Amino acid sequence: KNQVEQSPQSLIILEGKNCTLQCNYTVSPFSNLRWYKQDTGRGPVSLTIMTFSENTKSNGRYTATLDADTKQSSLHITASQLSDSASYICVVNTGGFKTIFGAGTRLFVKA
Amino acid sequence: NAGVTQTPKFQVLKTGQSMTLQCAQDMNHNSMYWYRQDPGMGLRLIYYSASEGTTDKGEVPNGYNVSRLNKREFSLRLESAAPSQTSVYFCASSLSGPTSYEQYFGPGTRLTVT
Repeated sequence: KNQVEQSPQSLIILEGKNCTLQCNYTVSPFSNLRWYKQDTGRGPVSLTIMTFSENTKSNGRYTATLDADTKQSSLHITASQLSDSASYICVVNTGGFKTIFGAGTRLFVKA
Repeated sequence: NAGVTQTPKFQVLKTGQSMTLQCAQDMNHNSMYWYRQDPGMGLRLIYYSASEGTTDKGEVPNGYNVSRLNKREFSLRLESAAPSQTSVYFCASSLSGPTSYEQYFGPGTRLTVT
């Protein structure tokens, strides 16, 4: 069964600290993987996309990694800000219109 | 550009009532989608429209119908609402299929069925 599992479910960190969110997937075939940020009461917004051949991709303070062999991805947030408080969703595309969404990690950044 | 807009933002229905959720995009995208988001679960695809004039079932289509009115608009209809349809509904659009193109999401409609 195609699944995308994210950990932790929720995370609290202090402003200025770094954190890493994990995504494990059992999806086949694999086309690419996206990380989305979803603010409370809003729709998800894409942060980055990783294809099979890419190991690392950065978008400002966000750095995503992909290990296609172990089917794992991570999202690292550097020097967190209060505005980083949101849910982060890992999404795997298998091709065509088939997309598998993880349940998300809820991040709280405290002052 | 407004992006993807949805109406209404909030709705409360009684069991058995019907309603239509409206979605419009102004990005000239070909593909549009309806998802539902429930606590502790990933977004699940209800229906999608790959291009104007076509619609296809997603993962959880039962109890819903859709209409691709034109290239801009894609509506979702609940004919006889049930408490199990209490959820947050998101409309999204992309230039073409989501594998190759980013999906842009609307702000969501929070629906409660009592």
